Amino acid sequence: SQQGEEDPQALSIQEGENATMNCSYKTSINNLQWYRQNSGRGLVHLILIRSNEREKHSGRLRVTLDTSKKSSSLLITASRAADTASYFCATFPYGGGKLIFGQGTELSVKP
Amino acid sequence: DSGVTQTPKHLITATGQRVTLRCSPRSGDLSVYWYQQSLDQGLQFLIQYYNGEERAKGNILERFSAQQFPDLHSELNLSSLELGDSALYFCASSRDPRTDTQYFGPGTRLTVL
Repeated sequence: SQQGEEDPQALSIQEGENATMNCSYKTSINNLQWYRQNSGRGLVHLILIRSNEREKHSGRLRVTLDTSKKSSSLLITASRAADTASYFCATFPYGGGKLIFGQGTELSVKP
Repeated sequence: DSGVTQTPKHLITATGQRVTLRCSPRSGDLSVYWYQQSLDQGLQFLIQYYNGEERAKGNILERFSAQQFPDLHSELNLSSLELGDSALYFCASSRDPRTDTQYFGPGTRLTVL
């Protein structure tokens, strides 16, 4: 079963625009991770944010975490056509073990 | 390149057959995880091994089994295959299973005809 719910399910933007994806989850977490998946290929880890962090940056990526609302957002600034992919949030519970993935947001960046 | 390798990349087989998927974790990673990705179920955790021992189990069918060997590579065995087992199977590895990032391999695409 999926813990995370991602919103929107699909997003289409023009190159240069910003893309924001949201993730909500249900239980307490140790950390939350974002992954990218190009069509039918492996998942690439983008960024990890721990439960005691509120915001994190990595290049054009900005992730926020609100544990009181059990939600996270991923912002990709100045998007490029190469950013076209599916983006998944995954929560990691205390005690370790399995990552629980959301259903993903399919991002399409048009040149 | 995550450093996690999986073989084979593609596998086509018939219902009722048995297949073995192989995974080599990143150098130094003791934990190996298996995930299944299908269109209807999304990404589902199957099982985790840590240094040769089973650590956590998810939605893994009884027809499926896995093991981690002393050299830390892992195999996922799928038997009595059904059409619904067609999916992408991913292996991931991590250094610290309590908190760490999991690095995913490129996956094995299984097609059951």
